[in-house]
Amino acid sequence: DTAVSQTPKYLVTQMGNDKSIKCEQNLGHDTMYWYKQDSKKFLKIMFSYNNKELIINETVPNRFSPKSPDKAHLNLHINSLELGDSAVYFCASSSRGIRGYTFGSGTRLTVV
Amino acid sequence: TQLLEQSPQFLSIQEGENLTVYCNSSSVFSSLQWYRQEPGEGPVLLVTVVTGGEVKKLKRLTFQFGDARKDSSLHITAAQPGDTGLYLCAGARSGGGADGLTFGKGTHLIIQP
Repeated sequence: DTAVSQTPKYLVTQMGNDKSIKCEQNLGHDTMYWYKQDSKKFLKIMFSYNNKELIINETVPNRFSPKSPDKAHLNLHINSLELGDSAVYFCASSSRGIRGYTFGSGTRLTVV
Repeated sequence: TQLLEQSPQFLSIQEGENLTVYCNSSSVFSSLQWYRQEPGEGPVLLVTVVTGGEVKKLKRLTFQFGDARKDSSLHITAAQPGDTGLYLCAGARSGGGADGLTFGKGTHLIIQP
C-alpha cells in the first residue's frame, strides 16, 4: 500500500528521556513534514524537509531535531522529554504541496 | 502569523439537515485544503481549491474558495451519520509546499440519526 507510515503508534516515557519517532513514505513525494496536534486537536507545523534540506523550522525547542537519511524518511528525535511534549505527532508528505498532503496515522506521545 | 478562523467549533444536527462550515482569514493563501480526521487517525484530504471563486463538489459536499483567496466554506447537504467527524481547513502559504500548512482549529461535527 502506498502511504505514510510512522512508528510507534503509542509512546509512553519518563521525563528526561530521549526518544525517536520514525516516518517513511513510499509515495515518491519530495517534501516531508512533522506536525504536532495538541489536546484540543489543533495542528501546528514543526518542520519540513525538501531534498534533505530543512526548509522551515517553527518556534520549537531545539530539543526536537528532525533527521532525514533519505528522501523517503524523516525521523523526529526528541531530547530531554518534558511533560508539555505530550501530544500526538503526525508525519506528512506532499509533492510540492500540489494535490494536498498525506498524513501518517500519528504517534501519541505521553510523558510521565 | 497567518491565522485561519474556523467556525463553528462544534455542531450537532439531525440526519437529513444541511450545514455549512466556514474558514476565514485576513491573509491570502495559494491554496485551501479541507481534511477530515477520524479518532486515532491522521487527517485525510477531502479537496484542494486553488483558484479564487472555485467551487468543487464531492458527492453531498460542496467546497468554495473565496474570490480573494482568503476564505473558504464547506457545505454538506442532507447530512448522514457517516459524516460525523473532525473537519479541518488548512491554508498553504506558498505554491511550492515548502512552508507547510496553517490549520484552523477544526469543526467537530456530529450527525444524529
